[in-house]
Amino acid sequence: QVQLQESGPGLVKPSQTLSLTCAVSGGSIGSGTHYWSWVRLPAGRGLEWIGRIYPNGNTYYKPSLKSRATLSIDTSKNQFSLKLRSVSATDTAVYYCARGSYQFRAGTYMDIWGTGTTVTVSS
Amino acid sequence: DTQMTQSPSSLPAAIGDRVTITCRASQSIRTYLNWYQQKPGRAPKLLIYGASTLQSGVPSRFSGSGSGTDFTLTIGSLQPEDFATYYCQQTYNSPYNFGQGTKLEI
Repeated sequence: QVQLQESGPGLVKPSQTLSLTCAVSGGSIGSGTHYWSWVRLPAGRGLEWIGRIYPNGNTYYKPSLKSRATLSIDTSKNQFSLKLRSVSATDTAVYYCARGSYQFRAGTYMDIWGTGTTVTVSS
Repeated sequence: DTQMTQSPSSLPAAIGDRVTITCRASQSIRTYLNWYQQKPGRAPKLLIYGASTLQSGVPSRFSGSGSGTDFTLTIGSLQPEDFATYYCQQTYNSPYNFGQGTKLEI
């Protein structure tokens, strides 16, 4: 079955760029029936949707992060990535990648998730 | 943005209880509402999508209802493994905001 796995540095210095990759196994990231998302969970807070990317490269972002975030997709490597620039302590969180699926009349939903990776922003 | 508000923020309950969590959208989202369960140190798990469709493998004690702006998640008879935090999420329009979460506590 499809599995997702996040990877990237666990520690990033303030003002630098956070870079994470999500490797997809057991299925093709280029399948037109899915999209790929990033969600984060800051300590003591709730889930925050960051953005999503489609196989054709179309992207959608949370407005408050749009100026700093970039999602990209590499179908040859079956992975997608998140870059978040100019990070600060408020970007410290567990970051999850997830697969989005669609069903007629039920809309879209994130049905498969990675295990998450903790990123701490600190000098 | 469509804002999502859950209530309550925390919910004390006991094994065997029937519990209901509510989620309200700041504008109509038709039935584009999902529910997730998250346990500490674990990834979120999809429970219900399209407001009322049970995800494969999820026990039938979980049910969802609602449309427009008001939605509910009901757990019919609480089991020990149900103590977790529950989130609603709208996918009617971007950004796909989550509610703030409801922590189900013993």
